[in-house]
Parts: sequence; structure tokens; C-alpha cells
Amino acid sequence: KAGVTQTPRYLIKTRGQQVTLSCSPISGHRSVSWYQQTPGQGLQFLFEYFSETQRNKGNFPGRFSGRQFSNSRSEMNVSTLELGDSALYLCASSLQGRTGELFFGEGSRLTVL
Amino acid sequence: AQTVTQSQPEMSVQEAETVTLSCTYDTSESDYYLFWYKQPPSRQMILVIRQEAYKQQNATENRFSVNFQKAAKSFSLKISDSQLGDAAMYFCAISGGATNKLIFGTGTLLAVQP
Repeated sequence: KAGVTQTPRYLIKTRGQQVTLSCSPISGHRSVSWYQQTPGQGLQFLFEYFSETQRNKGNFPGRFSGRQFSNSRSEMNVSTLELGDSALYLCASSLQGRTGELFFGEGSRLTVL
Repeated sequence: AQTVTQSQPEMSVQEAETVTLSCTYDTSESDYYLFWYKQPPSRQMILVIRQEAYKQQNATENRFSVNFQKAAKSFSLKISDSQLGDAAMYFCAISGGATNKLIFGTGTLLAVQP
């Protein structure tokens, strides 16, 4: 069974640009979550989707948005990029909706110059 | 609100020895789950062990076991017979309510000495 796939793995953007990251969950998993990982702030929850509905949103500005499609694939978008958005963005999927047993992808490393 | 505290930024253990990583938490939820996740240098996070808060029995997974002290809000991870492949960042995490949202601690970087 294929794991969680995130694309792209690495990307470099400049301030003010926008970026879209993609996540394909494990087949059959309906829950997808996104986390931002930085050396300074650690792992921070961005949002969680379950069956195309956003169930939870972390404490991030409105520049961060996401969505989930009917096939459970998810995208997150960051607009008007700032230097502080440089981070590893992790996607995780789960079969169930409430146990927190997550399967993580390898992440998308975003560098903002 | 939920918080997770890992007070040991780095730990070191000799191969084949036992090491314990500490974690304390706080939550207002009555129904919650606790986790230890491992992030090796390749970055992919994997679940090590999970504990349902309503279960008094401590979870075990092969060489990994937890000491869950609910009243003290403590959730430590014991790794027995440490192996070189255990070297990684270990994160303690909590989820609560009808959600998969995880709150992570700051992590403990474990080094395994041959």
C-alpha cells in the first residue's frame, strides 16, 4: 500500500509569491492534516480535513488555506509568502476521524527568499 | 487547551542499554490519546506507540513501552535494548475530542552510541 505522498518535495519561492502544496493520503484514508515544522516553533497544526470538510484550523493567518477533494487528496496554499513561512510542511492521513493515529508524508521543504 | 512539555532536548544512550524519555501534558479533555512519534534524520514521522487515556494498562510495542501516570499527567517512553536505528527526534503528542488534531512537544533528540 502506498504511503502518504507529498509534492513537491522541495521548492524555493520569493517573498510575495504564492505556493500550493499537494498531499495524496493513503488509499482509504479520509482524514488529512497539515503541520508546519520549523526549528523555532516546532510542529504546529495548520488544519484538518475529513470528507472534504475542514474540521479544525490552527492559529495561522488567513494567508494559509487548504482544501480536500472528493478523492481525499488535499492541497494547501500560502499566499503572499513571507520569509517566516520557510518551513517543512508535513501532511498526514488517518483512517479514522478521531484517534490521532497519523501516517505522515516526507514533507515539502519550502524556502522563501 | 492542550499542552505538551518535553524537558529533555537531548538524550544519549549506549547501544543495548535502556533509556527513558520524559513527557508531561495538560488537557481539559476527558477523552484523549497520547502518542510518541519518531522522526529519523530522513524526516518521515512514524508512530511509535499510542495510549488511550481511559486505559490504565501501559501500552507496549516490542522494545518500546510507556509509563502513563494519569493523575500526574505524565507519559514517559522507555526504549529497551537500544539500537542504532533508534537514533532520531522523538515527539510526545496529545489529541483530544472528536478530532485528529495533534499537539506536539518540542521533541527529544536521542543519540545512540555504539
